[in-house]
Amino acid sequence: DQQVKQNSPSLSVQEGRISILNCDYTNSMFDYFLWYKKYPAEGPTFLISISSIKDKNEDGRFTVFLNKSAKHLSLHIVPSQPGDSAVYFCAAGYNNNDMRFGAGTRLTVKP
Amino acid sequence: GAGVSQSPSNKVTEKGKDVELRCDPISGHTALYWYRQSLGQGLEFLIYFQGNSAPDKSGLPSDRFSAERTGGSVSTLTIQRTQQEDSAVYLCASSPTGSSNQPQHFGDGTRLSIL
Repeated sequence: DQQVKQNSPSLSVQEGRISILNCDYTNSMFDYFLWYKKYPAEGPTFLISISSIKDKNEDGRFTVFLNKSAKHLSLHIVPSQPGDSAVYFCAAGYNNNDMRFGAGTRLTVKP
Repeated sequence: GAGVSQSPSNKVTEKGKDVELRCDPISGHTALYWYRQSLGQGLEFLIYFQGNSAPDKSGLPSDRFSAERTGGSVSTLTIQRTQQEDSAVYLCASSPTGSSNQPQHFGDGTRLSIL
């Protein structure tokens, strides 16, 4: 049962433009959402998070939006840079339970 | 180092052999997670340890998989009678208390190849 879904396996954008990565979830118990970034041969690293009591969290070029009624969140990167090229994972959890991860979206930012 | 350490970084073994993968979490972190990432797939949850509580084993794919966490620190994931479909990157992560609002810190993984 895949509770967190990232339906786009890949995304390609031009340097300087906006990247929008999407994530959908099915479990209404989830109250915390995180985005991780993964480079090849490395473990994922935490990027940004949002609590279910908020609908937006911003950190520099990265903004996460949460739409609870639609059970949807998105990560916006603007402006996109070639160094942002990586696989991005969406994750969700609640209480002290294990996190559930999406399948990831490979972002390629072209110079 | 201060991060999560996994060993070995790469492991190649023959089908049918047993393998052990090791994870050293960040010191003081009570929560420890194992995931695997098969080629072209996302992160698949395997098992979760939280302090002295019974581990959540709900993600283990078969009874050939087991994990231990000794002394609340180092963890070992064991795969018995390995099969080719076990080939994947096995990732370990830890967090301070396992609360959902705490990011997990990942190791670089063990790439397991079953011949």
